[in-house]
Amino acid sequence: SQKIEQNSEALNIQEGKTATLTCNYTNYSPAYLQWYRQDPGRGPVFLLLIRENEKEKRKERLKVTFDTTLKQSLFHITASQPADSATYLCALDVTGGGNKLTFGTGTQLKVEL
Amino acid sequence: DTAVSQTPKYLVTQMGNDKSIKCEQNLGHDTMYWYKQDSKKFLKIMFSYNNKELIINETVPNRFSPKSPDKAHLNLHINSLELGDSAVYFCASSPGGPVTDTQYFGPGTRLTVL
Repeated sequence: SQKIEQNSEALNIQEGKTATLTCNYTNYSPAYLQWYRQDPGRGPVFLLLIRENEKEKRKERLKVTFDTTLKQSLFHITASQPADSATYLCALDVTGGGNKLTFGTGTQLKVEL
Repeated sequence: DTAVSQTPKYLVTQMGNDKSIKCEQNLGHDTMYWYKQDSKKFLKIMFSYNNKELIINETVPNRFSPKSPDKAHLNLHINSLELGDSAVYFCASSPGGPVTDTQYFGPGTRLTVL
């Protein structure tokens, strides 16, 4: 069964708006959650890691929240730009063993002028 | 300058052939990985090595055999290629554990089996 779910539909937003992407997981309480960006034809690039005791983490225009009660992480891009258009992947350990990352299917974000 | 490099970038071959993909990282990392990304863009771990030792071996057909001659290299050999092996294969590395550390991905190798 699918243990990590991200918005299956592509997300289209206007430049300057805030994009919010969702990552929901089941069955396990991970100690860490990671977010990656993937551009077409390229490998994923790490963006942020958040720990279970960190409710929120920021990096420039990026913000990640981690709600271990809801089993959900939200990924926000403020003042979005066309250059932010990409697929965003969340990843976490669903086994509890600490030795394997499982990736979500990703959300494709398109920022339009 | 490239942190994680893979060769070749594209690989087109016939069913039944044997092929290899090479990966090298110059980051000094201890752990390396192979992932497969299918046509639906789902990225799935295949293997992981830590200091040349196999630590993750997912349910992968034994036609796939990773080899790590040293901790900077992790190659993937595939025997008797099948149509379903067509995908993009990514190599990655991390300083230590996969869950707590950033993973650095290579550019990918697009394998097409005809």
